[in-house]
Amino acid sequence: AQSVTQLGSHVSVSEGALVLLRCNYSSSVPPYLFWYVQYPNQGLQLLLKYTSAATLVKGINDFEAEFKKSETSFHLTKPSAHMSDAAEYFCAVSPGGTSYGKLTFGQGTILTVHP
Amino acid sequence: DAGVIQSPRHEVTEMGQEVTLRCKPISGHNSLFWYRQTMMRGLELLIYFNNNVPIDDSGMPEDRFSAKMPNASFSTLKIQPSEPRDSAVYFCASRGDRDRSSYEQYFGPGTRLTVT
Repeated sequence: AQSVTQLGSHVSVSEGALVLLRCNYSSSVPPYLFWYVQYPNQGLQLLLKYTSAATLVKGINDFEAEFKKSETSFHLTKPSAHMSDAAEYFCAVSPGGTSYGKLTFGQGTILTVHP
Repeated sequence: DAGVIQSPRHEVTEMGQEVTLRCKPISGHNSLFWYRQTMMRGLELLIYFNNNVPIDDSGMPEDRFSAKMPNASFSTLKIQPSEPRDSAVYFCASRGDRDRSSYEQYFGPGTRLTVT
């Protein structure tokens, strides 16, 4: 079984500041991990994914995440926040190595960016 | 590519009525997923199809919910009878075989359902 915990339902940063969104996972098998972003009234868009290759993963819009097995974490970061980054972010886990790939999502973190 | 298409985008109906949500996956994709998003429960997988066959429907909340995929380019999610607690945003997502190794799912814009 898989589960995801996103620490902090709301995160607020100033424009230009570091963005850090936290995600911890639980998985009985080696996981595949994902970050999705959801803008208001839209569907989810994939930001980046970890599928057992490099542990530091780079995604779109300068986001990146690092898979840390020892900490069971997959935190999302961006060096400098932009107003357009304001959205809801979801971390998701899937059992690696299977053809099903059922995604289990965290509860989401709403990112607010102040000017 | 038009992406995953869902209709309607918004649906308001009265309790007891039948509701049908529609999804057209990305052409060539052979896996289709229906999700429900609510404030209380977050994003939940309702049902998953592969090659038009339901593989996992363990997330379907009760018998009032049913889903079909008559062909590779169309799926429906039906609620009959609808109840106020069914109010949510329903997402459809699709995935192609070539994405199987990365499990990337492409989401539609969602249908916002309000049952009064």
